[in-house]
Amino acid sequence: GQNIDQPTEMTATEGAIVQINCTYQTSGFNGLFWYQQHAGEAPTFLSYNVLDGLEEKGRFSSFLSRSKGYSYLLLKELQMKDSASYLCAVMDSNYQLIWGAGTKLIIKP
Amino acid sequence: SQTIHQWPATLVQPVGSPLSLECTVEGTSNPNLYWYRQAAGRGLQLLFYSVGIGQISSEVPQNLSASRPQDRQFILSSKKLLLSDSGFYLCAWSKGGPSGANVLTFGAGSRLTVL
Repeated sequence: GQNIDQPTEMTATEGAIVQINCTYQTSGFNGLFWYQQHAGEAPTFLSYNVLDGLEEKGRFSSFLSRSKGYSYLLLKELQMKDSASYLCAVMDSNYQLIWGAGTKLIIKP
Repeated sequence: SQTIHQWPATLVQPVGSPLSLECTVEGTSNPNLYWYRQAAGRGLQLLFYSVGIGQISSEVPQNLSASRPQDRQFILSSKKLLLSDSGFYLCAWSKGGPSGANVLTFGAGSRLTVL
């Protein structure tokens, strides 16, 4: 079967750095997405990786290793507004998105 | 620019009543359209997707149905709601055609409570 694993919850301090991991086992691979979802709101797109390596976008970076079936989202200089759930999703060989359950990130002052 | 509208935002319905959630997309043509459901603390569950007018693919057998009467309109319906239908429903669109880089853009969501 297809599976996406990410931690259920993480806690970090304002101003610090946090890394949210995602491992996947899917039928084929056509890219990995990270979305941010604030409580009670819709998910919004953060990043897309299809090749190995690091993609940097401001305070957020996303890394992919296809051989290891592994990705992480790195958030730097954490702000209180970064408190949200972070969803990892992989597009399989049929171009269907497989979603993880999300990681709830709690930022403490 | 493209925008997606979804309504109603919140609704409380009795068991056995009908349901209609509506979603429209502006600023693009022939989008792929999706209905997802999100239960508390769980991942997104794909319910239906559509690649064109009248073309609906169902991912989960249940008492829900979807229709796409116009290119940029997607409707989620039920004739008789169950308690288990409660949840957060999200409409989304992406550019047409298979592509790994097609980003999903979500509507604001509809929170359904079935009592």
